[in-house]
Amino acid sequence: DIQMTQSPPSLSASIGDRVTITCRASQSINTYLNWYQQKPGKAPKVLIYGASSLQSGVPSRFSGSGSGTDFTLTISSLQPEDFATYYCQQTYYAPRAFGGGTKVEIK
Amino acid sequence: QVQLQESGPGLVKPSQTLSLTCTVSGGSISSDYYWTWIRQHPGKGLEWIGYVYYSGSTYYNPSLKSRLSISVDTSKNQFSLKLSSVTAADTAVYYCARDADHDYSGNFFFDLWGQGTLVTVSS
Repeated sequence: DIQMTQSPPSLSASIGDRVTITCRASQSINTYLNWYQQKPGKAPKVLIYGASSLQSGVPSRFSGSGSGTDFTLTISSLQPEDFATYYCQQTYYAPRAFGGGTKVEIK
Repeated sequence: QVQLQESGPGLVKPSQTLSLTCTVSGGSISSDYYWTWIRQHPGKGLEWIGYVYYSGSTYYNPSLKSRLSISVDTSKNQFSLKLSSVTAADTAVYYCARDADHDYSGNFFFDLWGQGTLVTVSS
């Protein structure tokens, strides 16, 4: 099975900061990589699919990049509603594994 | 719009079978999607359990395969999960979700989720 490793597991940031989260796959997954945002008590919501495609309705401050084994989610200017946990997920192989998550907290 | 709703017991005894159903409303389950179960242990990350296609074909996470069954009932617009021989390690929030390739690019993602249901395994 493919292992997905996210870093950092958590981070503290201020409103307006640029935030970068990384995700590494244990083998190449081309660009079959999604990013989700989850807030406490809620189901996850997709932000980015295909490594870099912004899901409809998601603010443009979110962006994704990468291919192969290394991927990045960037929030260009952190907003209050962005404090949440973020997960990457690969869809190149089954089972479609998730990363361990990155919790973004208020500094 | 299409919605998903999980239902089933919130408490299951150890060694028994956990059974959950996901009802699809506002749309047909007989569409080109993979109907998926995902779980989240308390305070932990997301674990992909498996999916069923409307034809009945399935794929299970190998870590759960020996205890797992996922089925679909197109007449009721529902799909179901059965996990046998449960232990406390199966205590989690269980989500049903729709896995879709909306732009036919081969990029699947979960675009619809149920609200999640907490299942506790305890005597």
